[in-house]
Amino acid sequence: GENVEQHPSTLSVQEGDSAVIKCTYSDSASNYFPWYKQELGKGPQLIIDIRSNVGEKKDQRIAVTLNKTAKHFSLHITETQPEDSAVYFCAASEGNYQLIWGAGTKLIIKP
Amino acid sequence: DTEVTQTPKHLVMGMTNKKSLKCEQHMGHRAMYWYKQKAKKPPELMFVYSYEKLSINESVPSRFSPECPNSSLLNLHLHALQPEDSALYLCASSQVPLMNTEAFFGQGTRLTVV
Repeated sequence: GENVEQHPSTLSVQEGDSAVIKCTYSDSASNYFPWYKQELGKGPQLIIDIRSNVGEKKDQRIAVTLNKTAKHFSLHITETQPEDSAVYFCAASEGNYQLIWGAGTKLIIKP
Repeated sequence: DTEVTQTPKHLVMGMTNKKSLKCEQHMGHRAMYWYKQKAKKPPELMFVYSYEKLSINESVPSRFSPECPNSSLLNLHLHALQPEDSALYLCASSQVPLMNTEAFFGQGTRLTVV
């Protein structure tokens, strides 16, 4: 079955700097790759997603890149702000009912 | 309205109690999900309802009993739980029961079993 690995488990960056979180997946049939942000005491919230027919997608300070050949995808956050502090999860789906989640990355923005 | 509303936010129950978690969405989504999330872990899928019918049960113990009274509501009935069942229970919905569309999550119910 599908397996998603996510790194790093914790990332600490200075406010204003960029943050990059990386995920790899094992199943070439996966075709949808969402990123969720979970703040303390809240449920996960979709922040960006990418489909297998696209290599890159950007939404303001957030971007996701996908390398299908290497089976990895990454989240890029530029000009980080205190409100970006949260746990970020990557996930992969073959398009059925199941999302396969990465283990999560705790992002800490230092003032 | 892009909200999934869960009640209660917090619940403490004894091992002999019976309680229910509730979830509501008004986005016209036809798929609803229950997830369990332990601290510092990703959510784990428990149940999937598709067009108000239970379509997936991820080998969840029978002390958890889901119910979908209508297309907007999802309940999770709890009975004879164990302390290890303490977790954040998340409800989610999506337009169709395919996880290649956006899934909206509620805030969760923080459950403590004593």
